[in-house]
Amino acid sequence: GDSVTQMEGPVTLSEEAFLTINCTYTATGYPSLFWYVQYPGEGLQLLLKATKADDKGSNKGFEATYRKETTSFHLEKGSVQVSDSAVYFCALITMEYGNKLVFGAGTILRVKS
Amino acid sequence: DTAVSQTPKYLVTQMGNDKSIKCEQNLGHDTMYWYKQDSKKFLKIMFSYNNKELIINETVPNRFSPKSPDKAHLNLHINSLELGDSAVYFCASSLRTSGGGGEQFFGPGTRLTVL
Repeated sequence: GDSVTQMEGPVTLSEEAFLTINCTYTATGYPSLFWYVQYPGEGLQLLLKATKADDKGSNKGFEATYRKETTSFHLEKGSVQVSDSAVYFCALITMEYGNKLVFGAGTILRVKS
Repeated sequence: DTAVSQTPKYLVTQMGNDKSIKCEQNLGHDTMYWYKQDSKKFLKIMFSYNNKELIINETVPNRFSPKSPDKAHLNLHINSLELGDSAVYFCASSLRTSGGGGEQFFGPGTRLTVL
């Protein structure tokens, strides 16, 4: 079945460091890809999305490009802040059963000042 | 102004009890979901309803029964609670007609602890 694999965390960075969180997927057809963020004690918020190959999603300084040839959707940010500390989830949607979101295991990001 | 709301936020109960979690959305969406997040933060879909019709029913014990009285509400009833049911349960909603690119909006979660 469809699946998402994320790099294991936690990832610990100093403020203003460059961030990459790797995400690869396995899916039949052409899924839409998402990054969700979960701040401590809160629900999930959509960070960015891409619906077709070569699309780049971006929001709040974060970017990810839908790479069909490598089945990847890596999350990047040029300069992280302490407020970016959260859990980041890569996910895909399959249309097979009505917009079922399949999540990766999540990556904890800790940013130190 | 809350888009997707859940009640209660915290639920602590004894093994064997029956409990319900309620979810409401005011976004005008036609599809609602329940997800379970375990202690390792792993998220998995449980159920999905579109216009009050069940469209996704993952491999979930039949002690879990969702009920959708209307498009804006999706409740989750759990019978005979077990220790392994302890988790955070998230409700979400989306517009199915927007296809695979439709964003799912999540509620704040209900932390269930079974003692």
